[in-house]
Amino acid sequence: EVQLVQSGAEVKKPGESLKISCKGSGYSFSNYWIGWVRQMPGKGLEWMGIIYPGDSDTRYSPSFQGQVTISADKSISTAYLQWSNLKASDTAMYYCARRPGGYYYDDWGQGTLVTVSS
Amino acid sequence: EIVLTQSPGTLSLSPGERATLSCRASQSVSSNYLAWYQQKPGQAPRLLIYGASSRATGIPDRFSGSGSGTDFTVTISRLEPEDFAVYYCQHYGSSRWTFGQGTKVEFK
Repeated sequence: EVQLVQSGAEVKKPGESLKISCKGSGYSFSNYWIGWVRQMPGKGLEWMGIIYPGDSDTRYSPSFQGQVTISADKSISTAYLQWSNLKASDTAMYYCARRPGGYYYDDWGQGTLVTVSS
Repeated sequence: EIVLTQSPGTLSLSPGERATLSCRASQSVSSNYLAWYQQKPGQAPRLLIYGASSRATGIPDRFSGSGSGTDFTVTISRLEPEDFAVYYCQHYGSSRWTFGQGTKVEFK
């Protein structure tokens, strides 16, 4: 069974840094793209970017380029999303999801809630 | 950049009724690149339809997807209580994905 397990909820202050994680199991982690999706409170889904853990090839949405960093460590089957300078507007639920080979995402993590507040 | 516009914003229906959700692209897109997701409150999205018309694993056959070019539809033939949720269409193009703004299917 494919599983993506994300790290727990975070509460941070503006200006702080943060790295959240997404651990895959039940499949060959290196061989499938992992995407990240933001959902701000009460809002819709926004695609942030995607990484191929096998070679760390990464693509970003123009909206998020330079705002976040996506990385992966294939040795521990884990993808990451990180911020160096959090803002209150980064408060959201963040999902990781697996791209199985087509142009969609078939398995999703449970989400990580990030709250940024002074 | 392709923009996906979903309609209606909210659909108020009763169990047993038919639901028709629309997703319109700002320019013609390949059906291969069009997917639909269901999201219930407090849950992660779930893949429903990919390639515009292929049901994902475990999705009941009351869900069907259709369309081509700029107009795509997902139909729920007879609404079950567990189908009341928000539905999003998604498109891939130019090395990025975009989502529509969502349609909420609510109890009438």
